[in-house]
Amino acid sequence: GENVEQHPSTLSVQEGDSAVIKCTYSDSASNYFPWYKQELGKRPQLIIDIRSNVGEKKDQRIAVTLNKTAKHFSLHITETQPEDSAVYFCAANPQTGANNLFFGTGTRLTVIP
Amino acid sequence: NAGVTQTPKFRILKIGQSMTLQCTQDMNHNYMYWYRQDPGMGLKLIYYSVGAGITDKGEVPNGYNVSRSTTEDFPLRLELAAPSQTSVYFCASSYPYGGSNQPQHFGDGTRLSIL
Repeated sequence: GENVEQHPSTLSVQEGDSAVIKCTYSDSASNYFPWYKQELGKRPQLIIDIRSNVGEKKDQRIAVTLNKTAKHFSLHITETQPEDSAVYFCAANPQTGANNLFFGTGTRLTVIP
Repeated sequence: NAGVTQTPKFRILKIGQSMTLQCTQDMNHNYMYWYRQDPGMGLKLIYYSVGAGITDKGEVPNGYNVSRSTTEDFPLRLELAAPSQTSVYFCASSYPYGGSNQPQHFGDGTRLSIL
């Protein structure tokens, strides 16, 4: 099955700096890559996603890049704010079942005011 | 729309007891999923369903059962609870619009402890 690896596991940045989280996947058939933000004790919430026919997608301060050849994708957050502090998960869908997702192990981002 | 609703929010079980985690969605989504999230880890798929009457195993199905009698409801049953099933359980749903991947919407989770 699909295997998603995520790095780093923790990340601390100063407010206003950029944060980058990287994920790799193993199944070349994967074609959908969402990113979720999870605050403590809350549900995962989708913040951005990208499909395999696109190399980059941007939404205000958040961007995701995808390199299908290398099988990796990254989340970029610019001008970080304290409210960006949370755990971020990447996921990949290998086109099995009902668009099933395989998740990375998460990155705990702390933005220091 | 309430979205995806899970009950209960918290539960403590004794080893060997059974219980059903409830999940309902009002978005008319065909696809529904159950995940578990262990401390400091990502989500792992337990079971999923592509529509009423159809269910299938995910990555970690052992010790669980599901049913899907309606589009709205997708309960998860734990039989003979074990300490290894202590986790946070999330239900999610999505709509296969146009045959392409669509985002999964999550419920608030059920925090389950087996003692």
